[in-house]
This record gives sequence, structure tokens and C-alpha cells, in this order.
Amino acid sequence: DAGVIQSPRHEVTEMGQEVTLRCKPISGHDYLFWYRQTMMRGLELLIYFNNNVPIDDSGMPEDRFSAKMPNASFSTLKIQPSEPRDSAVYFCASSTPGTGIYGNTEAFFGQGTRLTVV
Amino acid sequence: AQKVTQAQTEISVVEKEDVTLDCVYETRDTTYYLFWYKQPPSGELVFLIRRNSFDEQNEISGRYSWNFQKSTSSFNFTITASQVVDSAVYFCALSEARYGGATNKLIFGTGTLLAVQP
Repeated sequence: DAGVIQSPRHEVTEMGQEVTLRCKPISGHDYLFWYRQTMMRGLELLIYFNNNVPIDDSGMPEDRFSAKMPNASFSTLKIQPSEPRDSAVYFCASSTPGTGIYGNTEAFFGQGTRLTVV
Repeated sequence: AQKVTQAQTEISVVEKEDVTLDCVYETRDTTYYLFWYKQPPSGELVFLIRRNSFDEQNEISGRYSWNFQKSTSSFNFTITASQVVDSAVYFCALSEARYGGATNKLIFGTGTLLAVQP
């Protein structure tokens, strides 16, 4: 199993440019999450999908951020236009739905994309 | 509101010492899940354990053990005979569960940086 695959691993861009981060979840996982890690705010959930449908995007900081999941094996997080305060490590994670009424399972994380906006 | 508190920002120990990382959580849910993740210097997030709120049994896995106490809303993590390879940031996380399905989204604590000196 290749695990969750994110690309690119590192991205340096100029303020105002569009940035697209990519994620391939583990095959068979129905949940996909985008998290952001910064020194100031720690790890915070931006958005998550269930069966390719966005369920909760309340963590998306503003309209400059958008995420899509066109199919079960691919998701993108786009920032347009990017700003220096968007500099962070962006993690994608996936998980299975679990079993039982209250089923919950662990999320498996990708290696992250370190974004630097200058 | 749900919250995870890791009061210990940094801990430094000498190899072979035992160390306990504290985690205190807040939730109004009666059903929830608790997790520990490890983030080594390479940056990825590695899943360590998942525990549901119905199961207060302590767990041991090699040098790792976890103590879950609902009475004090704590889920502490102990490393016995620490090794240099244990040096990492450790995150405790909470996930809500709702009747009819899990959300699987994680609320993370701020993390504890563990430095194990040789």
C-alpha cells in the first residue's frame, strides 16, 4: 500500500500566484481530509469529504481557498491568490468509515506539502 | 465545544528514562474517540493508537502504554525506557461521533516536543 500521496512536497511561490496542492488517498478510503499546520494555530482541519462530497468546509479560512474531489482517488486544494500568511504545511489524510453506528477510524496522513509564499 | 490540551510544550529526558505525555480533553459527547499521533523530524504524522470512550482499559504496545481515565478526561501516553528515536512531537487528538455515522475529523492538541538525549 503506497499510503496517502501528496504533491508537491515543497512549493515556493510569489504572493498573488495561484497554488494547487494535490492528494491521492489510500484506495478504498471514503473520507478525505485537508489539514493545515502552522506554528501559531497548530493542526487545524480545513475541509473534509465523504464519498467525494464536501461535508464540512467550516475550517476553510476564506474564499481564496477551494477544494475539490472529482473522483475517489484525487483531490486538490487551491489557493488563489496566495498570500504570505498562507505559508504552512498542508496535510492530506484519508480514512475508512469504520464499523457500527458510532464507527470511527484513524486517519492516515500524507507526507505533507510545505508551502512558502514570498 | 471540543478541546484537547497538552500542557507540556517540551520535555527533555535522557535515554532509558521513562516519560509520560499528558493529554486532557473536553467534550460534551458521550461517544468519542481519542488518538495519539507522532510527528518525527521528517514531518509526517504517524498514527499510534485509537481508543473509544467505551473502552477504559489501558493499553500496552511494546515500550508504549496509554492510560485512559474518563473521570479526569485524560488520555496519557507513557514511553518506557525512552530511546533517541522516540524524539518527536506527539499529538493527542479527539474525534466526535454521531449516531448514524462517524465524522472522523480530528481536533488536535498543540503537541508535546519530546527530546531524548543520548
